Amino acid sequence: EVQLVESGRGLVQPGRSLRLSCAASGFTFDDYAMHWVRQPPGKGLEWVSGISWDSDTTAYADSVKGRFTISRDNAKNSLYLHMNSLRTEDTALYYCAKEGLTGGGFDYWGQGTLVTVSS
Amino acid sequence: IVLTQSPATLSLSPGGRATLSCRASQSDSSYLAWYRQKPGQAPRLLIYDAFTRATGIPARFSGGGSGTDFTLTISSLEPEDSAVYYCQQRSNWLYSFGQGTKLEIK
Repeated sequence: EVQLVESGRGLVQPGRSLRLSCAASGFTFDDYAMHWVRQPPGKGLEWVSGISWDSDTTAYADSVKGRFTISRDNAKNSLYLHMNSLRTEDTALYYCAKEGLTGGGFDYWGQGTLVTVSS
Repeated sequence: IVLTQSPATLSLSPGGRATLSCRASQSDSSYLAWYRQKPGQAPRLLIYDAFTRATGIPARFSGGGSGTDFTLTISSLEPEDSAVYYCQQRSNWLYSFGQGTKLEIK
């Protein structure tokens, strides 16, 4: 059974940093691209960042470019999101998601971890 | 790519048929996915590559369209189909979601 479990939730002040983690199991982690998607309270989905299976390719939404860094450790079956210079508008539920082979959508999602940025 | 979904809200009766629309600001690939999100739950993949049903998704869910205009059709509506539905597209390694269509079955 595929499982994605996010951790690293917290309340942080604007300008501070936070690292999210996603522990993957039930599939061959290093075969798949992985992503972070966020959802502000009561709002829609926003893709945040993605990384290829071998970490050769990373991509970011304009809203986080230069502040967030995605990475993965295939030996530990883990995905990370390093978030710097956090803003109040970064407050959201952050989901880890697995992309299907040949880019067939995001076929598995974690339950999300809440990040609140507030003074 | 900007994705525009319509309508914003759709209210239908059980047994009916829902047609949700997703329009892309540009045509870049056939990568078009649909997701359903129920309150308090993570999104679930319904359709990918515009018309391929994901594992475990019943045949009453169908995707169509090409270029910049795509649709998700749900037939034989059931109360548990009440949810927000999102479309998603990719341009190279940049992904975007539509703003969602809220479907109410009552």
